[in-house]
Amino acid sequence: QVHLQESGRGLIKPSETLSLTCTISGGSLNTYYWSWIRQPAGKGLEWIGRINTSGNSNSNPSLRSRVTMSVDVSNNQFSLKLSSATAADTAMYYCAREFYDTNYHLYVDYWGQGTLVTVSS
Amino acid sequence: DIQMTQSPSSLSASVGDRVTITCRASQDIKNYLVWFRQKPGRAPESLIYSATSLQSGVPSRFSGSGSGTDFTLTISSLRPEDFATYYCQQYIGFPVTFGGGTKVDIK
Repeated sequence: QVHLQESGRGLIKPSETLSLTCTISGGSLNTYYWSWIRQPAGKGLEWIGRINTSGNSNSNPSLRSRVTMSVDVSNNQFSLKLSSATAADTAMYYCAREFYDTNYHLYVDYWGQGTLVTVSS
Repeated sequence: DIQMTQSPSSLSASVGDRVTITCRASQDIKNYLVWFRQKPGRAPESLIYSATSLQSGVPSRFSGSGSGTDFTLTISSLRPEDFATYYCQQYIGFPVTFGGGTKVDIK
């Protein structure tokens, strides 16, 4: 069964770039899209964006100007960078896999456990 | 963005109970809906996709129904491992959006 594990700095300062990596085990990066989702404490889930191994990507319009995603097929990893971080970016960050349903729409089928990122001086 | 509203936000139930959670979309999402379960400190798990299709490996006590704007997740007989928070997510609109969650705890 596929397993996703997030890693990265848990504490960053305001204006710094938040950087996270998701390592996939038990499966290939190919065929799927790979996404990032976050959840501030006590608040709802927010989809950040997705990318595939061809470099095709989409991101939430609310974050698009600050989001950079990449894929490292050789290491079975994908990454997120969120620039100009503020306290509002403090959240649990999840990586996830997106798969096509029978109507060729992408849906999240596997999640990582999540990693907490705090933005504070 | 499409707004997803879950109800109730929390409920108390006992092992063996039948539990129903609802999710309403702010516009027609056809059947492009996923249900997740999240146990404390654990990764969310996909239960149902396309509103009614059971994800591989998910027990048959879970079922989903609905289309358009109104959806339901039913747990036919609650097990101890089902005390968790449940979320719905629509995936027809861009960006994908989530419901606020329903916490199921022990009565």
